Formats: sequence, structure tokens, C-alpha cells
Amino acid sequence: ETGVTQSPTHLIKTRGQQVTLRCSSQSGHNTVSWYQQALGQGPQFIFQYYREEENGRGNFPPRFSGLQFPNYSSELNVNALELDDSALYLCASSLKVQRDTDTQYFGPGTRLTVL
Amino acid sequence: QKEVEQDPGPLSVPEGAIVSLNCTYSNSAFQYFMWYRQYSRKGPELLMYTYSSGNKEDGRFTAQVDKSSKYISLFIRDSQPSDSATYLCAMRVNYGGSQGNLIFGKGTKLSVKP
Repeated sequence: ETGVTQSPTHLIKTRGQQVTLRCSSQSGHNTVSWYQQALGQGPQFIFQYYREEENGRGNFPPRFSGLQFPNYSSELNVNALELDDSALYLCASSLKVQRDTDTQYFGPGTRLTVL
Repeated sequence: QKEVEQDPGPLSVPEGAIVSLNCTYSNSAFQYFMWYRQYSRKGPELLMYTYSSGNKEDGRFTAQVDKSSKYISLFIRDSQPSDSATYLCAMRVNYGGSQGNLIFGKGTKLSVKP
């Protein structure tokens, strides 16, 4: 069974640039959630994707967007990067059964630094 | 008031000690409660998963949920230096609420000294 993988591991961007982060879900999972974890803080929910559609969103502006592909992998896109976007971006996959979502398993994260 | 409160520590204990970590929360709709362990610069790893009130034991770890007090705990017996990590509590409502997104505490940094 393959776990959740994310790429790249680290990324350095400058303010105003755009970034795309990628996530491959665990085998058998159909739902991907993205979280932002600032230094010294707990992860904060950005959004969740199920059946290639956004299925819930946290308190993040529209410049944070995402995609889910037919193989359940996902991308997180952030436009017009700001210094405060520097954080560890975590992807979590889970199996949604009916309306509930089972346990979320996290990937290793992508550390984004915005200069 | 934040939805989930967790003392960030740091907490330092000698090897073999019993460790008690806890979180309080304000949203009575939370039904699922989790503890994750996060090593430095790594993703969170699920340790314990509990539905509603009660206790759950797994090896050296015991999770307790007291919904009447809105209080959850994680106990680690015979702590080891390899337990040194940040421990995050997380919780969510049942289906039909927030589509299953997790609300996390800030995490408690634990150091177990040999």
C-alpha cells in the first residue's frame, strides 16, 4: 500500500509569483484535503476535493485554488504569493463513504518559503 | 476564543515518565477526536482515533474523551526518547457539518530525556 506523497519537498518563491504543489493520495482513497501549517501552529484547513470537485473550504482567499484528477491526485495552486504564505503545506487523503469522511492520513508536506 | 485550545509547552520529562497531554474545545458538535504525532519537519502521523466519549488504549498510549467537559487527553506510559515530537489534537463534526475537515490545536512539543 502506497502512502500519501507530495512534491516538491521544498520550494522558494518571491512575492507575487505563483506556485503549484502536488499530492498523490494513498491507494484506495478518494478524497484529498489540503492544510497550511505555519511555524509553531497547528494545520489549518484550506479545502477538500472529492470526485474532482471542491467539497468544503476554510477561511482562505480565492487565490488559493485546487484541482483533483480522475486518479484522485490533487494540486494546490497559490497565486500572487505573499510573505505570510510561507508555511508547510500538507495534503491528507481519506476514503469518503456516503457523506462522512474517514480518517485522514497526511503526506510529508511541502515547505514553501516566500521571499 | 479559539475552537480548540492546546498548551504549546514545551514539556520536558525523564525517560519512563507518564506523560499527560490535553486539549479543550468549545464546539459541542465535535464527534470525532484524534491525536497526531509530528516529528520535526515531517507530516502528522495518526496515533489515536476516538468517536464520542470514552477511553481507547493502544499499547503505551491511552486517549480519553470527556464530552461533558469538552476535554480530551492523551496519556503516554513509559515514555521513550523516540516519543519526542509535537503532539497535535484534532477534531471534527459528524457528516453533514464541515465536510470532515479537521480542526487542530497548536500542538504540544514534548521532549523525553534519556
